[in-house]
Amino acid sequence: NAGVTQTPKFQVLKTGQSMTLQCAQDMNHNSMYWYRQDPGMGLRLIYYSASEGTTDKGEVPNGYNVSRLNKREFSLRLESAAPSQTSVYFCASSPGAETRETQYFGPGTRLLVL
Amino acid sequence: AQSVAQPEDQVNVAEGNPLTVKCTYSVSGNPYLFWYVQYPNRGLQFLLKYITGDNLVKGSYGFEAEFNKSQTSFHLKKPSALVSDSALYFCAVRDRQTGGFKTIFGAGTRLFVKA
Repeated sequence: NAGVTQTPKFQVLKTGQSMTLQCAQDMNHNSMYWYRQDPGMGLRLIYYSASEGTTDKGEVPNGYNVSRLNKREFSLRLESAAPSQTSVYFCASSPGAETRETQYFGPGTRLLVL
Repeated sequence: AQSVAQPEDQVNVAEGNPLTVKCTYSVSGNPYLFWYVQYPNRGLQFLLKYITGDNLVKGSYGFEAEFNKSQTSFHLKKPSALVSDSALYFCAVRDRQTGGFKTIFGAGTRLFVKA
């Protein structure tokens, strides 16, 4: 049981390049999330997927798109990377849509945009 | 607006001493409150949460937190710190009234435990 896995672990991009961050969970969770973590700012929600087939914007969605490929997988795409998107990206999942539920986090992807 | 404040960027404590990591929050309704811990180069791990009932919540690794509604606080505590407790700690809140998926995280407090 691997929990939440993310690939790649580290990536360097040039401004304007595109890339997709991959996330998968093996806990049969319904809900999945993408966060970014910046120094001194905690985690901020980019997008979330309440259930398979649905996605919604979070707090900071600009410059990103997501795909809930199936129940297990939730990818985050940067179409044209900008230096402001240099950050650590975390994927998370939770059993369902209940507000009280704990989230389970992946190990993160460290992205540097030059 | 909903917010979470962790007033200390860093907390230093000697091994064996008690530790406290502070958290205060502001939400329009009643909160669900969480503590997560992040070890270097790892994702966040759940420590404990307050849903309802007893204001003192016990969690993983000997940590506990006390919900204080009048002071809108949810401080994390441990009676005797270990060097292995050194990590980054995040307080988080969800508003049970408005529901939804929006979890507000504090900026984090780095805990250093010296041997």
